[in-house]
Amino acid sequence: QQKVQQSPESLSVPEGGMASLNCTSSDRNFQYFWWYRQHSGEGPKALMSIFSDGDKKEGRFTAHLNKASLHVSLHIRDSQPSDSALYFCAASNTGYQNFYFGKGTSLTVIP
Amino acid sequence: DPKIIQKPKYLVAVTGSEKILICEQYLGHNAMYWYRQSAKKPLEFMFSYSYQKLMDNQTASSRFQPQSSKKNHLDLQITALKPDDSATYFCASSTGVSNERLFFGHGTKLSVL
Repeated sequence: QQKVQQSPESLSVPEGGMASLNCTSSDRNFQYFWWYRQHSGEGPKALMSIFSDGDKKEGRFTAHLNKASLHVSLHIRDSQPSDSALYFCAASNTGYQNFYFGKGTSLTVIP
Repeated sequence: DPKIIQKPKYLVAVTGSEKILICEQYLGHNAMYWYRQSAKKPLEFMFSYSYQKLMDNQTASSRFQPQSSKKNHLDLQITALKPDDSATYFCASSTGVSNERLFFGHGTKLSVL
């Protein structure tokens, strides 16, 4: 069974709009989350981490974690065409260096 | 300048052959990894190395063998190639501190005919 599930598979938002991406871990040991972004032809690049319950904001990006439900979300406000990419949620276990990735959400920002 | 160099960028191989994917990192990191990305599966963890020692192996097949000749090198040898091995292989590195971010290379896209 896949340890990390993401939804939706794809998402389109207008430029300037809000994009909301979701991620859930099926393994209670996996409580450390990162969001990565991958533009076409490149490797994934880390956006932000969230390890504690609640919200974490970095610029236009806000991550939210609910440890009880192992649900994490990423909200992108004022979306820009350059935000169009594949977004991955990655989870890891305490003390581990390995990350398990979800299948990704393909975000398209329409100018 | 790219800090993680993967060579080659594209690779075409015939079934049954052997190939080596090259990875060098210039971030001064202690840990290196291989991930595989295909259309059918998410970004899939394969191996992790720390200080040139194998830490974790999630690859079922012995046809995949990482090789670390230097601290900042982690190559991937793949033998007896199969069409199912077609994927983009990403090398990554990190400081080695638990739960820290990974830095990825641009990948090697392997096509097995």
